[in-house]
Amino acid sequence: EADIYQTPRYLVIGTGKKITLECSQTMGHDKMYWYQQDPGMELHLIHYSYGVNSTEKGDLSSESTVSRIRTEHFPLTLESARPSHTSQYLCASSELTYRSGANVLTFGAGSRLTVL
Amino acid sequence: SQKIEQNSEALNIQEGKTATLTCNYTNYSPAYLQWYRQDPGRGPVFLLLIRENEKEKRKERLKVTFDTTLKQSLFHITASQPADSATYLCALAQGGSYIPTFGRGTSLIVHP
Repeated sequence: EADIYQTPRYLVIGTGKKITLECSQTMGHDKMYWYQQDPGMELHLIHYSYGVNSTEKGDLSSESTVSRIRTEHFPLTLESARPSHTSQYLCASSELTYRSGANVLTFGAGSRLTVL
Repeated sequence: SQKIEQNSEALNIQEGKTATLTCNYTNYSPAYLQWYRQDPGRGPVFLLLIRENEKEKRKERLKVTFDTTLKQSLFHITASQPADSATYLCALAQGGSYIPTFGRGTSLIVHP
């Protein structure tokens, strides 16, 4: 079982609400990521972090924000949710090993957000 | 533009047969390619990684090939079982960030 946890698993909220999706990992990985995935579609990278106090935007523009104050914690926040934010949000972490040069991701189970 | 293409149509096969899934890419120079499995409502799970200088990798019933000339990877599951039914995602990582970019995935359905 993956050691990366996302809460809530499912969230239904009204337009305009502020939401935070939590992501925690117990593997001590430096790198963490948020991907967005709609049904039957690709995962799109929206945010990533190389370590504490490091955050970068991904390939897909997103109105969400992230923070990385602790190694194990990488929450995603939407200040004012809209129906267009309805999607599945997947958190992942990895440890890039210099010997192998490989970046293998461990994913959480996902948070499915529905904005009415 | 960069593209990762996987068959959008589901692959239906009979139990015991070999399933072969295809991943084609354009305008990438991947350092390595990965295959993940995703079950409905869950996050992807890593299966195999193959590097640009490798032709083939095996793990139990799984085999991956990588042809950088054809810009294609093939993913094989031998002696398939109904429990292998899932969506299989191809992901490419280029030098620099090494952050994987994912294809849309192909759904595999193994019938008993």
